[in-house]
Amino acid sequence: GESVGLHLPTLSVQEGDNSIINCAYSNSASDYFIWYKQESGKGPQFIIDIRSNMDKRQGQRVTVLLNKTVKHLSLQIAATQPGDSAVYFCAERMNSGYSTLTFGKGTMLLVSP
Amino acid sequence: DTEVTQTPKHLVMGMTNKKSLKCEQHMGHRAMYWYKQKAKKPPELMFVYSYEKLSINESVPSRFSPECPNSSLLNLHLHALQPEDSALYLCASSQEKNGEQYFGPGTRLTVT
Repeated sequence: GESVGLHLPTLSVQEGDNSIINCAYSNSASDYFIWYKQESGKGPQFIIDIRSNMDKRQGQRVTVLLNKTVKHLSLQIAATQPGDSAVYFCAERMNSGYSTLTFGKGTMLLVSP
Repeated sequence: DTEVTQTPKHLVMGMTNKKSLKCEQHMGHRAMYWYKQKAKKPPELMFVYSYEKLSINESVPSRFSPECPNSSLLNLHLHALQPEDSALYLCASSQEKNGEQYFGPGTRLTVT
């Protein structure tokens, strides 16, 4: 069932550390996954995506890993900066022909200087 | 222009009011979306428009009425809302119906 929580899972790191944010997705038929960053008062911002035929994709300072066996997605941020502080959502798209995304619950990343 | 804009930024309305939220994009995207986001929760899909036609309605109450006047504009008409409808309403667009979605900044709605 749906978990109702007042608090987002939070990851606190020091500036310069590497951060790893995890996400468990629900549907084995999902073919496309996206990580979004949402800063306070703003809409979600695309970070990186990965298709189900890949297990790793790298961007600038970010890497996404996909493990389809256990339906797990992770976002690695290298040399985390205070500007990386935000809520991070993973989203999955089922292979239905429509870009209907289902978002995960989100993780708040707090970066201390 | 790689931006989705939304107006107003903030809106306070009573339960008997009628108001509209507006969304605009000039990226030539043919799919547009409305999401609702409560505090500390992920966005939840409400409606999908593809080529100006309503493709998906995620069982949204009729007090929310979407409209797509043209390929660049998406409106959400609000009438007789409840306090629990208070949330951040996000608009997004994508090149095609299965493309990457770009989000606007949202409208923070408060129903009193």
